[in-house]
Amino acid sequence: QVHLVESGGGVVQPGGSLRLSCAASGFTFTRYPFHWVRQAPGKGLEWVAILSYDGVSQNYAGSVRGRFTISRDNSRSTLYLQMNSLKAEDTAIYYCARDMYTNGWGAIDFWGQGTLVTVSS
Amino acid sequence: QAVLTQPASLSASPGASASLTCTYPSGIKFAPYRIYWYQQKPGSPPQFLLRYTSDSDYLQGSGVPSRFSGSKDASANAAILLISGVQSEDEADYFCMIWVTSASMIFGGGTKLTVL
Repeated sequence: QVHLVESGGGVVQPGGSLRLSCAASGFTFTRYPFHWVRQAPGKGLEWVAILSYDGVSQNYAGSVRGRFTISRDNSRSTLYLQMNSLKAEDTAIYYCARDMYTNGWGAIDFWGQGTLVTVSS
Repeated sequence: QAVLTQPASLSASPGASASLTCTYPSGIKFAPYRIYWYQQKPGSPPQFLLRYTSDSDYLQGSGVPSRFSGSKDASANAAILLISGVQSEDEADYFCMIWVTSASMIFGGGTKLTVL
């Protein structure tokens, strides 16, 4: 079955950097686009970024564009999110999520358990 | 950036029906959009419930009970998640979502369903 496991979260100071990883298993990783979605404590869901199945096309939410970079290593079935210039408002649980479409993109069918990122001095 | 509006909370009695709405700003019609619904229980990630575009373009998530269904109310420019015969296990947060052509995903603020 589909299994997504995030890692790399933790406490970081404002202005710092962090790299999240998402290890995928149970399906053909190379066929699917992937997303990162975050959820601040007690708040709703905020989409962060998307990456195409081949890693060529990507897009970001305005709140993170220029600071975050989404990437993937298809040989390792792993998705990444490099987060630079972190701000307090980036504090959230970060979910790795699989897009449900293999011939396009636009929705999520499976989510990881999430990893907590706390930006605080 | 478009905003999807959901009531913050809704209560329902066991066995009753609960209608959760997701409203798009006036001036932009919901009709062409695929609307996705997710359920999130405390301490867990969201789970995909269903996709609704029209009665002929509908996808129920794997293992999702048939008491969860989707529809649209064109007059209200709203998407609706209907839970028929609410059960205590349905107590959760529910989020609607659309994918816009600018290649980004928009979530509603979520509705907390309480089963009394």
